[in-house]
Amino acid sequence: EAQVTQNPRYLITVTGKKLTVTCSQNMNHEYMSWYRQDPGLGLRQIYYSMNVEVTDKGDVPEGYKVSRKEKRNFPLILESPSPNQTSLYFCASREPGNQPQHFGDGTRLSIL
Amino acid sequence: GENVEQHPSTLSVQEGDSAVIKCTYSDSASNYFPWYKQELGKGPQLIIDIRSNVGEKKDQRIAVTLNKTAKHFSLHITETQPEDSAVYFCAAVMIKAAGNKLTFGGGTRVLVKP
Repeated sequence: EAQVTQNPRYLITVTGKKLTVTCSQNMNHEYMSWYRQDPGLGLRQIYYSMNVEVTDKGDVPEGYKVSRKEKRNFPLILESPSPNQTSLYFCASREPGNQPQHFGDGTRLSIL
Repeated sequence: GENVEQHPSTLSVQEGDSAVIKCTYSDSASNYFPWYKQELGKGPQLIIDIRSNVGEKKDQRIAVTLNKTAKHFSLHITETQPEDSAVYFCAAVMIKAAGNKLTFGGGTRVLVKP
């Protein structure tokens, strides 16, 4: 089954404690991206990757890092989380070109 | 950059009635317009999309229209059913040198009352 899998699904943590949200896709997609979803703001892109070792900033990259060492994985790293990063996060992947995105089921982060 | 506005933010309809959600975009370079449905606890799922060389597309009870001149596109759901209750997002995609850039609208929460 074609899937984008995120872990963890839920996390409550404290300010400053580094965390990583993993994302893995089994569709051999080249393009992967991370979004955060906040009420009234829709989904805003954090980072995206066009292929292995190729990443670029989206609209709201501050406070986040990503890496793309393998095609299937695209982890999101918060080196020093702050309360304004409390949000619902989605990973997505797609084929090149104007193709629909496949989203994971989300990770709800609460930073206290 | 691209800016996508979506209206209304909430929409309540009676079962069997139609629902219409409207989006406008700012950059004429956008050429692909997908619509996503998000159910509680799930990620968004594509329900229909339209490309810039097409004015209208239908898929059973769902249709999307695009007016490139006015830079707006709309989602129409006919004969609504309770399972249509969800949050719907429009998006505009433009091709950039670094890859396609997708910008979402703010979402519409649709409630279909039985």
